[in-house]
Amino acid sequence: KAGVTQTPRYLIKTRGQQVTLSCSPISGHRSVSWYQQTPGQGLQFLFEYFSETQRNKGNFPGRFSGRQFSNSRSEMNVSTLELGDSALYLCASSLGSTGGGHEQYFGPGTRLTVT
Amino acid sequence: DQQVKQNSPSLSVQEGRISILNCDYTNSMFDYFLWYKKYPAEGPTFLISISSIKDKNEDGRFTVFLNKSAKHLSLHIVPSQPGDSAVYFCAARGSSNTGKLIFGQGTTLQVKP
Repeated sequence: KAGVTQTPRYLIKTRGQQVTLSCSPISGHRSVSWYQQTPGQGLQFLFEYFSETQRNKGNFPGRFSGRQFSNSRSEMNVSTLELGDSALYLCASSLGSTGGGHEQYFGPGTRLTVT
Repeated sequence: DQQVKQNSPSLSVQEGRISILNCDYTNSMFDYFLWYKKYPAEGPTFLISISSIKDKNEDGRFTVFLNKSAKHLSLHIVPSQPGDSAVYFCAARGSSNTGKLIFGQGTTLQVKP
């Protein structure tokens, strides 16, 4: 079974621009969660999508948004980029069901650098 | 407020010995705990998990222990191998039936040959 894939792997943007990152979950997984990893803050939860609906949201400004498509693929968007948005953005998928399958499997991440 | 804490930033052990990584949490509503291993420039790799209704879960060389009264969990790796050298994160599920994981800051494990 193919793992979680994320595109692009690396991205360089300028302050004020916007960016869209993509994530394809493991086949059969319906939940996709996004995390931001920085040296100072560690791994921080951004949001989770399940069956095309945002099920949970972390403490990030509204510039961070996401969506999920009917095939469970997900995108996240960051508008008006700031220098502090430079980070590794990780996507994780899981079954998302109530009976189990709580384990999240991560993709390789997208390294975003804002200059 | 750091709800999941890994108080040891680093740990060094000799190959073949036991590695014990610790994690403390503050929220008694956490119902599921996971351990991940991470190499630089890669995503975290799932290792092992434990439900709050259990106190031990074992998978090969990896065992996770949960002490709910102390709000403490630990990961034991026996025997440790040089390939285990990585950053280890513990994580707790924030609330029932969601995909929100709250991570500790990580512990860097070095296994010396």
